[in-house]
Amino acid sequence: AQSVTQPDIHITVSEGASLELRCNYSYGATPYLFWYVQSPGQGLQLLLKYFSGDTLVQGIKGFEAEFKRSQSSFNLRKPSVHWSDAAEYFCAVGAPGGYNKLIFGAGTRLAVHP
Amino acid sequence: NAGVTQTPKFRVLKTGQSMTLLCAQDMNHEYMYWYRQDPGMGLRLIHYSVGEGTTAKGEVPDGYNVSRLKKQNFLLGLESAAPSQTSVYFCASSPSYTSFGNEQFFGPGTRLTVL
Repeated sequence: AQSVTQPDIHITVSEGASLELRCNYSYGATPYLFWYVQSPGQGLQLLLKYFSGDTLVQGIKGFEAEFKRSQSSFNLRKPSVHWSDAAEYFCAVGAPGGYNKLIFGAGTRLAVHP
Repeated sequence: NAGVTQTPKFRVLKTGQSMTLLCAQDMNHEYMYWYRQDPGMGLRLIHYSVGEGTTAKGEVPDGYNVSRLKKQNFLLGLESAAPSQTSVYFCASSPSYTSFGNEQFFGPGTRLTVL
């Protein structure tokens, strides 16, 4: 069955430091991959998505992610974190059966120290 | 353009009570979804709808019912609330011009506590 694993439940970084959030997926075919961000008390907002083509994907708010088929990974990165990036981040993969259904990972909560 | 809205934002129920959560979207999307979010478990799909008058079960449908009488509205009902249904509920919608890979747009959530 398809699944998404986010190995890190909590991550703390200092403001200005670089960030990498890990995501591993299990999927038989070429996956549709997404990263969403949830700010405290808010709904989810799409950061970026990958379908095909260039394996390095640029998103909003200075985030990027790299698809690595050989490692079944889709890690999210940002070169310099801002205090406003503190949030929960969810990786998701398109579910079988269509209708744009998604399977979400458990999420990684990011804290940013000043 | 309000996007996806959810009513109410917060609710406290006693075990056995019933309630309905309302989701509305103004983007003319065909597909709509109800999720629940629990700590350490991400978002899990409860039910979804691929058009007016249609509904289908997701990953965790037990204890919930849904209806989509109008394209813009998707209702989630709890007939007899249980403490295990304490959660944050999110509604989302998605366009249908492709069936894979479109973004889902999320509402702000409803925090439900069942005592």
